[in-house]
Amino acid sequence: DTGVSQNPRHKITKRGQNVTFRCDPISEHNRLYWYRQTLGQGPEFLTYFQNEAQLEKSRLLSDRFSAERPKGSFSTLEIQRTEQGDSAMYLCASSLVLRTRGSEAFFGQGTRLTVV
Amino acid sequence: GNSVTQMEGPVTLSEEAFLTINCTYTATGYPSLFWYVQYPGEGLQLLLKATKADDKGSNKGFEATYRKETTSFHLEKGSVQVSDSAVYFCALGSGYSTLTFGKGTMLLVSP
Repeated sequence: DTGVSQNPRHKITKRGQNVTFRCDPISEHNRLYWYRQTLGQGPEFLTYFQNEAQLEKSRLLSDRFSAERPKGSFSTLEIQRTEQGDSAMYLCASSLVLRTRGSEAFFGQGTRLTVV
Repeated sequence: GNSVTQMEGPVTLSEEAFLTINCTYTATGYPSLFWYVQYPGEGLQLLLKATKADDKGSNKGFEATYRKETTSFHLEKGSVQVSDSAVYFCALGSGYSTLTFGKGTMLLVSP
């Protein structure tokens, strides 16, 4: 098991362009989370999936953001019409949550987005 | 809502010094508490956790005790090493749901 994998590790884009990030969770994990971390701050929750269902979205997730997890495996996070304020580290995490037990969240190394 | 407050850094120590990083929280219900560590260039790693009041989490010489009466979860280590230099995040979560993080505290340990 290689842990949570995120691609790309770095992305520089021009304002107004669309970007898409990918997250591959630990294979047996059924939950997948997206967080955003800006400089000097802790990670802030964006959204999470239980298998393929998106169960919760933060108000930080504006309508320019969309996340998918087709087939309950990998997930993508797309940002449309990027703005400079979107510059941040985007973190993905996964965990296994069953009815009677669960695991802590394991994080990937993140995708650092810079909007110029 | 839930919130976590950590002491601001950087915390600068000499090797073998005693470490305390303060963390207090506000939460509804009975959350689990966590310390995550982020080494330079790496992702967040779980360092330790406690799931109920008076539980002590420990790992790699680090300890933290879940204090419900003071709503605190302070991180301690008796003798830090240069390799402990990293950013430490206190976090809380209810059940196995999403996490609320503090802003992080950078620790710098010099030889």
